[in-house]
Amino acid sequence: ETGVTQSPTHLIKTRGQQVTLRCSSQSGHNTVSWYQQALGQGPQFIFQYYREEENGRGNFPPRFSGLQFPNYSSELNVNALELDDSALYLCASSEDLTSTDTQYFGPGTRLTVL
Amino acid sequence: DQQVKQNSPSLSVQEGRISILNCDYTNSMFDYFLWYKKYPAEGPTFLISISSIKDKNEDGRFTVFLNKSAKHLSLHIVPSQPGDSAVYFCAAPTTSGTYKYIFGTGTRLKVLA
Repeated sequence: ETGVTQSPTHLIKTRGQQVTLRCSSQSGHNTVSWYQQALGQGPQFIFQYYREEENGRGNFPPRFSGLQFPNYSSELNVNALELDDSALYLCASSEDLTSTDTQYFGPGTRLTVL
Repeated sequence: DQQVKQNSPSLSVQEGRISILNCDYTNSMFDYFLWYKKYPAEGPTFLISISSIKDKNEDGRFTVFLNKSAKHLSLHIVPSQPGDSAVYFCAAPTTSGTYKYIFGTGTRLKVLA
């Protein structure tokens, strides 16, 4: 039990639609990162938020966007869904931006795009 | 450009024996490594870490070894138990602009009773 929750657990969308995934971090954790895990792959970094500001992103297009709120919750939004967006989406929170700071992952949201 | 590699997608071990999971990396700037364990329908959970100033870190049945010259780390589980059956990821955090984890592709460990 990491104290990080995500909703919904599963989601089915069709190509072209938009989706919002939610994450609730541990209290006091100022950093949240989002990862995409495709089948048979390791998690791939999408972007990170620190104190409600984006703190960098990986190789994902602008249709992937996010928000972080003062109450330690955050969102991942994906517009114009494509079939390849089908994956497990994980959020991870940590106290700060230290390289040795352990990130705590939520259980993920399984997104299927048809 | 896969900076962290796990070349064995799966591993089967008898209960009570040693499990050895391997991970190679290419970025010599990595100075900290972590192992995560992932069960189906759950997110990865932190297992054990090692700093580059050490070559070994032990926590109960789990030991991680780091060979910096070979850019290789390994996770040893002794003795292996059926509950250890999961996917194991090695990861390295990078602070090049953004603090993020680079993950390997994972090794699925199956411990046979």
